[in-house]
Amino acid sequence: AQKVTQAQTEISVVEKEDVTLDCVYETRDTTYYLFWYKQPPSGELVFLIRRNSFDEQNEISGRYSWNFQKSTSSFNFTITASQVVDSAVYFCALFSEIQGAQKLVFGQGTRLTINP
Amino acid sequence: NAGVTQTPKFQVLKTGQSMTLQCAQDMNHEYMSWYRQDPGMGLRLIHYSVGAGITDQGEVPNGYNVSRSTTEDFPLRLLSAAPSQTSVYFCASSTGTGFGQPQHFGDGTRLSIL
Repeated sequence: AQKVTQAQTEISVVEKEDVTLDCVYETRDTTYYLFWYKQPPSGELVFLIRRNSFDEQNEISGRYSWNFQKSTSSFNFTITASQVVDSAVYFCALFSEIQGAQKLVFGQGTRLTINP
Repeated sequence: NAGVTQTPKFQVLKTGQSMTLQCAQDMNHEYMSWYRQDPGMGLRLIHYSVGAGITDQGEVPNGYNVSRSTTEDFPLRLLSAAPSQTSVYFCASSTGTGFGQPQHFGDGTRLSIL
């Protein structure tokens, strides 16, 4: 079965702290994609990053970085020097094809609050 | 550049009423999908479509119907609304067959069933 687990329901840190959001996934597929989306208080969903199952390179984009480890089925997201504008709900998601059906499965989300 | 447009943004229904949530995209995307978002459960896939005339069920399809007569539109129908369908609904689209492509989401429809 496809499953994404974000064990951290809520995280609260003080501005400028580093914070890591955990994501663990389950799939039997060899070809799949992992995503992170951000949902700010305004409610829209914003795409942050995509990673395919054959690319384990870590990625850095400004203050954001992602660590993909197939050995532990994890795709963790780190925000360095957090800012108040980073406050949002963050979703990790897994996209794979199951018996011919293409499905994007989301984790439960992590609510991140950055306090000034 | 409208992207994915959902209407209405808010709706209150009584149990047993029917309604259609509209979704339109202007990016010529083949893949479109509907999700519902409930507290503590993330987003769950209701139905999806890989092109005009083709639809398939997602994780939670019961109580919902869809059709895809054009590339641009992908309406979601609630035939007989139930309180359990109170949720925020998101429509999304992506390029090609959708596999592995980032989803472009609409702003959501907040639906309350009394």
